[in-house]
Amino acid sequence: GQQVMQIPQYQHVQEGEDFTTYCNSSTTLSNIQWYKQRPGGHPVFLIQLVKSGEVKKQKRLTFQFGEAKKNSSLHITATQTTDVGTYFCAGGVSGSARQLTFGSGTQLTVLP
Amino acid sequence: NAGVTQTPKFQVLKTGQSMTLQCAQDMNHNSMYWYRQDPGMGLRLIYYSASEGTTDKGEVPNGYNVSRLNKREFSLRLESAAPSQTSVYFCASRSGTGNYGYTFGSGTRLTVV
Repeated sequence: GQQVMQIPQYQHVQEGEDFTTYCNSSTTLSNIQWYKQRPGGHPVFLIQLVKSGEVKKQKRLTFQFGEAKKNSSLHITATQTTDVGTYFCAGGVSGSARQLTFGSGTQLTVLP
Repeated sequence: NAGVTQTPKFQVLKTGQSMTLQCAQDMNHNSMYWYRQDPGMGLRLIYYSASEGTTDKGEVPNGYNVSRLNKREFSLRLESAAPSQTSVYFCASRSGTGNYGYTFGSGTRLTVV
């Protein structure tokens, strides 16, 4: 079945440093979504990418979808303590009623 | 407040006991989902309901049953709880239009002893 791998599993950064998490799918995706989960909280939807090579920005967050639609990345510029949490990618396959397969997440710790 | 409401928030069960996790959404979403989250394993789909009146198995359905009671409500039942079902359970819903993002409930932390 479809697998979505996400690396790294953990990342510790000093406040102000940049952070990137990567997502790779075993199959071609129709779309990819990103979620953020604060410690003790629930996943919150951030964004969806659907086009090959698509790049979207939300303030300090930059999301990319690979040309082959099998990989994606989330980059945070100049991290802040409010960025702490686990970031999940979730890949969707066209025609699949199950819709999304989640990666295992990257847990980000920001040291002040 | 619009969103997904899950009850209970915490539960401790003894092995072999049964219980039902409740989920309701007030956003008029067609699709609803049950996930479990275990450390280092992300979110795994247990069951989903693409629309009222339909349910389908996800990645890890064994030991669970679901009921889509109406468009708003989607419940998850553990008939005979096992320690392997200790987890955090999230219900989610999704609109068929717009940004297609999932809206998650706040979760149920279940411990089976």
